[in-house]
Amino acid sequence: EVQLVESGGGLVKPGGSLRLSCAASGFQFNTYTLNWVRQAPGKGLQWVSSITSSSSYTYYADSVKGRFIISRDNAKKSLFLQMNNLRAEDTAVYYCVGPVVVAGSGTWGQGTLVTVSS
Amino acid sequence: VLTQSPGTLSLSPGERATLSCRASQNVGSSYLAWYQQIPGQAPRLLIFDTSTRATGIPDRFSGSGSGTGFTLTINSLEPEDFAVYYCLQYGNSPWAFGQGTKVEIK
Repeated sequence: EVQLVESGGGLVKPGGSLRLSCAASGFQFNTYTLNWVRQAPGKGLQWVSSITSSSSYTYYADSVKGRFIISRDNAKKSLFLQMNNLRAEDTAVYYCVGPVVVAGSGTWGQGTLVTVSS
Repeated sequence: VLTQSPGTLSLSPGERATLSCRASQNVGSSYLAWYQQIPGQAPRLLIFDTSTRATGIPDRFSGSGSGTGFTLTINSLEPEDFAVYYCLQYGNSPWAFGQGTKVEIK
């Protein structure tokens, strides 16, 4: 069974930093591009960032480019999102998302809430 | 960019729901998925590759389309189907989500 478990969310002041982690199991972690998707309160889903299987390429939404850094550790089956210079508009539930489908099922974590407020 | 319509669909249990998702450019290799989201929960994969149901998804859910136009159909709505639905294109980089369609009880 595919499992993705996020951690590291919390309350942070504007301009602060936070590092999200995602522990994966149940699929061949090191063969897939991985993603972070967020959802602001009462809003829709927004793709944030992706990283290819060997970390060769990373991609970012314009709204986070230059502030967020995605990384992974294939040996530990872990995905990370370093978030710097946080803004109020970064307040959201952040989901760790694997490939769209593995063995017929989706691959989303349960999400971790990041609140940016003074 | 993916545009979903309508924004809200008001229907009664037993009715059919037809949700639309239009892309601003061709979706590569029909890599279009549909998700259902209930408040407080993570999105649940319903359909991938335009028309393939995910594991455990009832056959009242069906997906169709190609190129830039895609449809999710829910035949005979059940009470648990009232939720928000999102489309996702994953054929072109980066991923893009539609803004969502809320299916509410009339």
